[in-house]
Amino acid sequence: GQNIDQPTEMTATEGAIVQINCTYQTSGFNGLFWYQQHAGEAPTFLSYNVLDGLEEKGRFSSFLSRSKGYSYLLLKELQMKDSASYLCAVRDQGANQAGTALIFGKGTTLSVSS
Amino acid sequence: DGGITQSPKYLFRKEGQNVTLSCEQNLNHDAMYWYRQDPGQGLRLIYYSQIVNDFQKGDIAEGYSVSREKKESFPLTVTSAQKNPTAFYLCASRGPSEAFFGQGTRLTVV
Repeated sequence: GQNIDQPTEMTATEGAIVQINCTYQTSGFNGLFWYQQHAGEAPTFLSYNVLDGLEEKGRFSSFLSRSKGYSYLLLKELQMKDSASYLCAVRDQGANQAGTALIFGKGTTLSVSS
Repeated sequence: DGGITQSPKYLFRKEGQNVTLSCEQNLNHDAMYWYRQDPGQGLRLIYYSQIVNDFQKGDIAEGYSVSREKKESFPLTVTSAQKNPTAFYLCASRGPSEAFFGQGTRLTVV
């Protein structure tokens, strides 16, 4: 089966750094995605990791450890507009599946205050 | 994100009617996905397709049907068998290192 866990809620202040963790258990891991979703809108693609290590994109970075089944999204220099849900998704090719499913965690709601 | 379009943005239907949601992409992506999101909830996978003329059920396929006759198009039909169809429906397409969503369709069944 598949299991993807993220904290439900996090709070932080403007200018700070926040780390959102994601742990996963899948039978056929084949990559991990992070998305940002503002209320009432569709998710926006942030990053993709398939190899271990850190991927940096401006204020956002994403890390992956395949051996630990663990990823995090790091947001630096937080701004009020970063208040949103952050979704972790795993690309999974399970033993009984034809093709590759993209499975989402329930998301982490981040609130940034001034 | 990218070139993936869902239409319409809002859709109202009477209970007992089938309704088809459109999803078109011009990204040349092979894989496409349909999700459902309920208020305050995560994304749940309905159906996905790796290639033309092939698709697989996700976690909540009951009451839904799809087709993949063209690479660019992956329409979702919400049938009258779906017991609670009111939701936000999201379509995505995936390439080698990215996956983008359409703007979503909010379906309300009255």
